[in-house]
Amino acid sequence: GIQVEQSPPDLILQEGANSTLRCNFSDSVNNLQWFHQNPWGQLINLFYIPSGTKQNGRLSATTVATERYSLLYISSSQTTDSGVYFCAPSGNTGKLIFGQGTTLQVKP
Amino acid sequence: KAGVTQTPRYLIKTRGQQVTLSCSPISGHRSVSWYQQTPGQGLQFLFEYFSETQRNKGNFPGRFSGRQFSNSRSEMNVSTLELGDSALYLCASSPSPGALYEQYFGPGTRLTVT
Repeated sequence: GIQVEQSPPDLILQEGANSTLRCNFSDSVNNLQWFHQNPWGQLINLFYIPSGTKQNGRLSATTVATERYSLLYISSSQTTDSGVYFCAPSGNTGKLIFGQGTTLQVKP
Repeated sequence: KAGVTQTPRYLIKTRGQQVTLSCSPISGHRSVSWYQQTPGQGLQFLFEYFSETQRNKGNFPGRFSGRQFSNSRSEMNVSTLELGDSALYLCASSPSPGALYEQYFGPGTRLTVT
């Protein structure tokens, strides 16, 4: 099945800094989503991005399916951005395969 | 539109007991998937239901089962609970099966087995 690797595993930023989170996957995918898990455990949808680039406010994402990676950009980070970020591609099995996540801490 | 709802939100059970968790998808969504999240294994797929039929199953023992009703609400059941079943159980809803559409997650049920 698809293997997913996210980097870095942990990231500490000062408020206002920018960051890039990376997601590598081992096989072709039909779908890819980015999520932010809040402290209460809920997974918040950030992007549905099987290919191309999307932007939503301070966040943007790019997926290059042919090279099997996706990037999540966070600009001007805020303390509320803290939490765990997951990428989850899916292939022919039809289920989301989650990476181990990137834990982000934004300090004021 | 109301989001995905899960009940109960928290649950404490004893080893050997069984538990039933419920998930109501977004109105109009007919696919419900279940995931287990533990610190050691991360987020793992349990199963997916669409039109009252299980379409896909993850690598979990038979103690884990589920079903879907005609109104698309889904339940999952874990029998003979083990300490290792302590986890956050998340369900996701989608218009159609196979993760071809964006999936939306509920707030989860946190199960503690003592």
